[in-house]
Amino acid sequence: AQKVTQAQTEISVVEKEDVTLDCVYETRDTTYYLFWYKQPPSGELVFLIRRNSFDEQNEISGRYSWNFQKSTSSFNFTITASQVVDSAVYFCALTFTQGGSEKLVFGKGMKLTVNP
Amino acid sequence: GAGVSQSPRYKVTKRGQDVALRCDPISGHVSLYWYRQALGQGPEFLTYFNYEAQQDKSGLPNDRFSAERPEGSISTLTIQRTEQRDSAMYRCASSLEAKSSYEQYFGPGTRLTVT
Repeated sequence: AQKVTQAQTEISVVEKEDVTLDCVYETRDTTYYLFWYKQPPSGELVFLIRRNSFDEQNEISGRYSWNFQKSTSSFNFTITASQVVDSAVYFCALTFTQGGSEKLVFGKGMKLTVNP
Repeated sequence: GAGVSQSPRYKVTKRGQDVALRCDPISGHVSLYWYRQALGQGPEFLTYFNYEAQQDKSGLPNDRFSAERPEGSISTLTIQRTEQRDSAMYRCASSLEAKSSYEQYFGPGTRLTVT
């Protein structure tokens, strides 16, 4: 069955610390996509990154970086030099195909609090 | 440009009443998705449309829930005879292409409270 596990439910760090958010997934599909979304206190869901299953290159965008390891079914997200504005709930998500239809399944989210 | 909009943003209704939640996707987006998000959980798929065709409604909890997108743009999610367990955030998302693998842009959500 398709599943996304974000084992950490809540993390609290002090500004400028690095923090890694873990995401482990299960899927039977050979082709799939992984996503990270950010939900700040205002409540909207903001897209951060999409990665397909054939591209295992790590990606860096400013202070954000993503490590995709197919061998361990993980797609971890690291924030370097965290800032208070990074405080949010972060969701990892996975596409899966069921009955000919492709859908997204989300993890339960991980609440990050960055203290000044 | 305008993002995905949803209305109302908040809805309080009494048990047994019907509610209609509206989603206005980004102009030109082919696909429209509905999700439900309980407190402390990730969004859970309900249904989606490509243009006006409902492609998958397997996530709708029961037959009190229905959705339509008659002209391939605005969509309405209707819950009949609401129950307290229906209380949640209902989110709409749209994407440019007709596959979940494309980036989905989410609206601000409608917070539904059934009393």
